[in-house]
Amino acid sequence: QKEVEQDPGPLSVPEGAIVSLNCTYSNSAFQYFMWYRQYSRKGPELLMYTYSSGNKEDGRFTAQVDKSSKYISLFIRDSQPSDSATYLCAMNPPNAGKSTFGDGTTLTVKP
Amino acid sequence: SQTIHQWPATLVQPVGSPLSLECTVEGTSNPNLYWYRQAAGRGLQLLFYSVGIGQISSEVPQNLSASRPQDRQFILSSKKLLLSDSGFYLCAWRGGGNTIYFGEGSWLTVV
Repeated sequence: QKEVEQDPGPLSVPEGAIVSLNCTYSNSAFQYFMWYRQYSRKGPELLMYTYSSGNKEDGRFTAQVDKSSKYISLFIRDSQPSDSATYLCAMNPPNAGKSTFGDGTTLTVKP
Repeated sequence: SQTIHQWPATLVQPVGSPLSLECTVEGTSNPNLYWYRQAAGRGLQLLFYSVGIGQISSEVPQNLSASRPQDRQFILSSKKLLLSDSGFYLCAWRGGGNTIYFGEGSWLTVV
């Protein structure tokens, strides 16, 4: 079983919809949680970064961490066609030399 | 600000030929550096990471090697490419808060 599980999708929504992307994990030592957006044939770019539990909001994006359930989410409000991409979650314990990534969820937002 | 450069962006190589991908980071010193591979429709596979000049950790056995001749330079090499080496190669560095920042990637097709 993988340390980080992420539904690969694909997920297709109409423009303006609220999107929920999720990852579950098994390592209780994880404390740093990241979400990346990857456009086709491009490197992943960091979207959101959170430490420990709680919520973090940045514009239309909200990241949630529930450490008790070992579950993280990324919400996208008022989704736009430009949000169409693959979204990867990543996480690691403190002072770790490397992060563990989910396999990514492919999202398409239709105009 | 920090930037990461990776080249070449695209290359097509015959089976058995050598490989050299280069990566440099600007605007930071003594960064942790990483090489990842992403096969088509698959997640990120960590190949190598380095915490300093000449210090390389290998994550998977393969015919690839990595070197770090200078503080901000990371090189991925192979003496003889296999068809299975085809993929999207990403260089990355670790920033503050345990976040990973990726380069634009190098598309390798072995024919």
